[in-house]
Amino acid sequence: AQSVAQPEDQVNVAEGNPLTVKCTYSVSGNPYLFWYVQYPNRGLQFLLKYITGDNLVKGSYGFEAEFNKSQTSFHLKKPSALVSDSALYFCAVRDRDDKIIFGKGTRLHILP
Amino acid sequence: EAGVAQSPRYKIIEKRQSVAFWCNPISGHATLYWYQQILGQGPKLLIQFQNNGVVDDSQLPKDRFSAERLKGVDSTLKIQPAKLEDSAVYLCASSPLARNEQFFGPGTRLTVL
Repeated sequence: AQSVAQPEDQVNVAEGNPLTVKCTYSVSGNPYLFWYVQYPNRGLQFLLKYITGDNLVKGSYGFEAEFNKSQTSFHLKKPSALVSDSALYFCAVRDRDDKIIFGKGTRLHILP
Repeated sequence: EAGVAQSPRYKIIEKRQSVAFWCNPISGHATLYWYQQILGQGPKLLIQFQNNGVVDDSQLPKDRFSAERLKGVDSTLKIQPAKLEDSAVYLCASSPLARNEQFFGPGTRLTVL
C-alpha cells in the first residue's frame, strides 16, 4: 500500500546551519514527490517537486530535495537555515494511479 | 492571478447539525481536491474531482459527507449530520492537471460542539 513517512515530529536547527527534513515513501511504480510548507494561520504552499530527471531538485526559498530511489527517500534540505524557515513541512507522494497521500508533517524550529 | 477561495473561514456548529463549505478554484484548473486536516496531522484526501467527474473518493465517509462540483468549476462539501470527530480544517486545493503541484486555499476551520 502507498505510504509516506516523516520520522521526525520536530527538527531544531540553529540559524545559519544546514537543515534536513526527512521523508521516505512506499509507492507502486515511479513516484511523483512533493514538499509543501505551512506557515502559522496560512494555507499550504508548494515548495518543490520531483517528477523525473535530475535527482537533486531545487525549489522556492532556497530549498532543495534529493530523490534517492534505492533508499526510497526524498529529504528536504537547505544549506543555511533562516529563522523565517520555521514552519510545518509536509512531504507528499502521488502514485501511478494519481492517488496522493501526505505525510504527517515535521515542525521545523530555527533557533536564533 | 487569484488564488483558491474558500468560505466560510470559520464555522461552529453543534453535533447532528449540517454544514456546507464552498470552494472556488483557480481559473482553468481541471483538478479540485478536498482535504480534512485534523490538528497535528497531515491533510487527508477526502475527494478528488477531474472537471465534473470524481477521480477518488475512497476516504470520504459517504454516510455523512457529500461533495459536488458544478460545471467543473466551484465545489461544495457538505456534512450531514456532523459528529464531534469532524472538527478539523477543511482544505480545498486545485491544480491544472492531476500530476501538477496543488494550490491550496486558506481552509475552513470547523468546530463541532
